[in-house]
Formats: sequence, C-alpha cells, structure tokens
Amino acid sequence: AQRVTQPEKLLSVFKGAPVELKCNYSYSGSPELFWYVQYSRQRLQLLLRHISRESIKGFTADLNKGETSFHLKKPFAQEEDSAMYYCALRRQGAQKLVFGQGTRLTINP
Amino acid sequence: GAGVSQSPSNKVTEKGKDVELRCDPISGHTALYWYRQSLGQGLEFLIYFQGNSAPDKSGLPSDRFSAERTGGSVSTLTIQRTQQEDSAVYLCASSWGLPYGYTFGSGTRLTVV
Repeated sequence: AQRVTQPEKLLSVFKGAPVELKCNYSYSGSPELFWYVQYSRQRLQLLLRHISRESIKGFTADLNKGETSFHLKKPFAQEEDSAMYYCALRRQGAQKLVFGQGTRLTINP
Repeated sequence: GAGVSQSPSNKVTEKGKDVELRCDPISGHTALYWYRQSLGQGLEFLIYFQGNSAPDKSGLPSDRFSAERTGGSVSTLTIQRTQQEDSAVYLCASSWGLPYGYTFGSGTRLTVV
C-alpha cells in the first residue's frame, strides 16, 4: 500500500531564510504527487502538482524517484507562508489521494 | 454552486448519539470524497464516490460510519453511536476526476462529549 511521510510536524524558520518541507513516499509504481496548503481559517487548497512543474508563490517541488521524495522548497520565506502543508500521493490510475500527516510551518518575523 | 459546501460547520453531540454531516459538491463534479482531519493523524481517507460506480468504502474506520450520495450530487456521512474518538474535522472534496485535483469544503468540526 502507498504511504506518505512528512517527518516534521512543526517547522519554524525566520523570514527571508530558505525553507524546505520534507515529503517521502512509498509506492512501487509511478506516482502523482501534490502539495496542499491550509492557511489559518481557510480551506485546504492545492498548492502545486509535480506534473505541472510549476512554481506557485515562490514554492517548487521536484519529484525524486530515486529517493522517493517530493520536498517543497522556497528560497526566501515570507510571513504569509505560515500555514499547514500536506503532501499527497495518487497512485497510477487511482482517484483518491493519500495524504501525509502534515507539517505546520511558522515563519518568524 | 461556487464551491463545496458543508453543513453544519460545527456540531457538538453527546456520546452515543447519531450524527449526519452534509456535503454539497461543485455542480458537475463527478467525484466526491470524504476525509477526516485530526491532530497528529493528518488527513485520513474515509470514502469516495465516482459517478454511478460503487463507492470505495475502504477507509471507513468501523461499521458505525456510512455514507451515501443521492442523485450523483449531495452526500451525507452518517456516524452512528458516536464515540469521543470520532471528534475531528470532517472534510468533503469534489473533483472532475482524473487528472484533476480536489476542491475542498470548509469542513464540519465534530465534537463528541
């Protein structure tokens, strides 16, 4: 069965510092990976998908099949990045997403 | 509608009572999902509906949990004989299906006392 692991429940960095939220997965096939974000008092929303190879709000994530990772990175953190971040996996041909436990990111001024 | 609507937004119930949570998906979305969000557990998949296919119930934690989707639109998640460990935020999401992502509702916060 597929599994998504986010090893850090809490992550705190200073404004302007680089940030990396870790995500590792276990799945033998070709996965589709996502990052979702939930800002305070807002709904969970899609941040980015690996197949889009896009940068959203300065965040990027690269799928590393060798290390089975999909870490989320931003070179210069901003206070508005403080939120709960979830990594999610969808196995080939499946509909449902499997989510990690989430990382609460706090950006200190 | 403009988004996924869930009701009620908050529900406090006594242990042992039954509760019903409602989800109104985005019009036209064929797929509907229920997840449970609790501290330390992340988002736990419960059930999903796709068109007229049989639902995937593999995530339901016990037979006290059930869900239905009427007319391919509104869905109701029912929890019978609620327990304190059922306290969580129940999230509904809908989608056009593969390869699209989900649109989430704002959730129902269930507290069992």
